[in-house]
Parts: sequence; structure tokens; C-alpha cells
Amino acid sequence: DADVTQTPRNRITKTGKRIMLECSQTKGHDRMYWYRQDPGLGLRLIYYSFDVKDINKGEISDGYSVSRQAQAKFSLSLESAIPNQTALYFCATSDSGTGSNNQPQHFGDGTRLSIL
Amino acid sequence: AQSVTQLDSQVPVFEEAPVELRCNYSSSVSVYLFWYVQYPNQGLQLLLKYLSGSTLVKGINGFEAEFNKSQTSFHLRKPSVHISDTAEYFCAVSPNSGGYNKLIFGAGTRLAVHP
Repeated sequence: DADVTQTPRNRITKTGKRIMLECSQTKGHDRMYWYRQDPGLGLRLIYYSFDVKDINKGEISDGYSVSRQAQAKFSLSLESAIPNQTALYFCATSDSGTGSNNQPQHFGDGTRLSIL
Repeated sequence: AQSVTQLDSQVPVFEEAPVELRCNYSSSVSVYLFWYVQYPNQGLQLLLKYLSGSTLVKGINGFEAEFNKSQTSFHLRKPSVHISDTAEYFCAVSPNSGGYNKLIFGAGTRLAVHP
């Protein structure tokens, strides 16, 4: 089984709909992240969470919200989807131990979201 | 603030040829450096990382990278590529101080290995 699981893997929806993307992990990591990937732009950070009570905005948080329901679960919501939110979305986790800034992030396989 | 520039968006190469994927960064503080690989329909996987010490870093699948502080570069190399190396490669940096391992990614380089 994958260490970082994202659901759904693909989603097509209409403008104005509310959408939730879910992420769960079995790695026991405290830190979780949501990114979006657009062609030619690499990955950009939407939100990150150090633990259940600590949630922070990334560089492109407008139009998104998150919920950290448990250490292992971190969901991303689009309250009212718009076409320019069409992208590939990734969840990632990392360890918060000593030297946490050099810990690699572990990624899920992504959710391909299309908004018509 | 940090930024990462991957100098080639696409690199075509023949099987068993050497390849170099170029990465330059800018930062006002010291950074850690990473290369990730993304195979089709998958998430990113860590190839290698530079934290400190020897500037030549070896990673998985025969890849290596060299940190050059004066050039602010971290180029990825492989002496002989395989068809299975076809993927997108991302260079990333993280400041080595501060509250969390914020990763700043480059735009990616698509490596296409041809028979």
C-alpha cells in the first residue's frame, strides 16, 4: 500500500462546485503539505500543516481551504471551483525530527482536477 | 527569498548517452538542495540531496549531482541513460534555517530518452 494516498485520482467538475481532495498517510509524519503543479511552473505550495493545530498558508492559498482532521489526514477544499484551478494536485509529508529542514518530502500520486 | 531556475525545459537524448540537467538557484541564506524525479502518472520521488560536506552527491538509479557554491548551481548527471529514465526532473532548494523545510521548486526538465 502507498505511504501517501490521495483520493480521488481524477475529478472533473463544473465551475462553482465545492470540491474536496483528500490525503492520508501511514508514514507517521507530523508535517503535511498541499501543492499544485501546472505545466512550466513546477510545484507551488498551497497550504502546509505542522500538526493538527497548526495550519499555514503557502504562496497560492487564495480560493483554497484545508482541514487537518488527524495527524494522518489532510484535506484540501475548493469552495467554489473556477477553471484556472484546473491542475494536478499533490499531497506530501515530511518528518519533524532533528534537522527537519533537510528532511525530504514524500509525495502521493496526485489528483488530476479539471474544472469546466 | 529563494528561487530555482532549470535551464532546459526539455532534454532529448539517445539511450546510453550521457546527460546533464542544469539547475541554478539564488538565495540570501544557505540552502539544502534536492533533485526529485516524476515518472508518468506518479508523484515525485527523491533522487538525491545535498546537505553539507562533499560537493559530489550520489543518488539512486546511477544519478549524481555536484554542488557548486560559487556558481550557485546543482547540476544533475548520469553517464549512460536508459529508456526507463524518461521522466520529469525537478530541482528544489530549502533554506537551512527557519521553522520548516519549505521547498522551492524549479519549473522542471522533461528528459526524453530515445532508442
